[in-house]
Amino acid sequence: AQSVTQLDSQVPVFEEAPVELRCNYSSSVSVYLFWYVQYPNQGLQLLLKYLSGSTLVKGINGFEAEFNKSQTSFHLRKPSVHISDTAEYFCAVSDTGRRALTFGSGTRLQVQP
Amino acid sequence: ETGVTQTPRHLVMGMTNKKSLKCEQHLGHNAMYWYKQSAKKPLELMFVYSLEERVENNSVPSRFSPECPNSSHLFLHLHTLQPEDSALYLCASSQGGAQAGDTQYFGPGTRLTVL
Repeated sequence: AQSVTQLDSQVPVFEEAPVELRCNYSSSVSVYLFWYVQYPNQGLQLLLKYLSGSTLVKGINGFEAEFNKSQTSFHLRKPSVHISDTAEYFCAVSDTGRRALTFGSGTRLQVQP
Repeated sequence: ETGVTQTPRHLVMGMTNKKSLKCEQHLGHNAMYWYKQSAKKPLELMFVYSLEERVENNSVPSRFSPECPNSSHLFLHLHTLQPEDSALYLCASSQGGAQAGDTQYFGPGTRLTVL
């Protein structure tokens, strides 16, 4: 069985500061990894995903994530955040042979002026 | 309308009521999903449909009954729910036949409250 751990339930950060949202997963097989963002009163939107190839993945809105197989991590980073980045961020994993996504419990990013 | 739409956006129902949630995708996708998002819990996959065939059912109680009449529409029929079923119900779609690695596009959700 696979699982996803998002180590921080809330991350407060000041505007224009860098941020890292942590995600660790466990799986016995090869995986696909995703980061989704959920703005208030909206559904989830894909930020980026790793399927194969380069371990550094660039996504929308200036976000990027790095797949680290040895540490089973897929941390999300942004060098300079904006107030508009305030949202809930979800890490998700799927085995390459299964269609179901397993989500983490989410990290609430609170960007302060 | 574009993307994935869900109606109603908010629903309050008693435990003896019967209601339905509707999802429509305008993306030409072939797969559709129902998720449950409860407070302080990870999103839980409920059902997956690929080309109108149910391909996954994650041990969901029978008081939740999905229906997919065509690849653009997905319903979740509700009856005799419990207060713990109160949650945000999210619909999603993906282009392929619900393949691993597909990007899922989510609707805004229906906020359900069971009294």
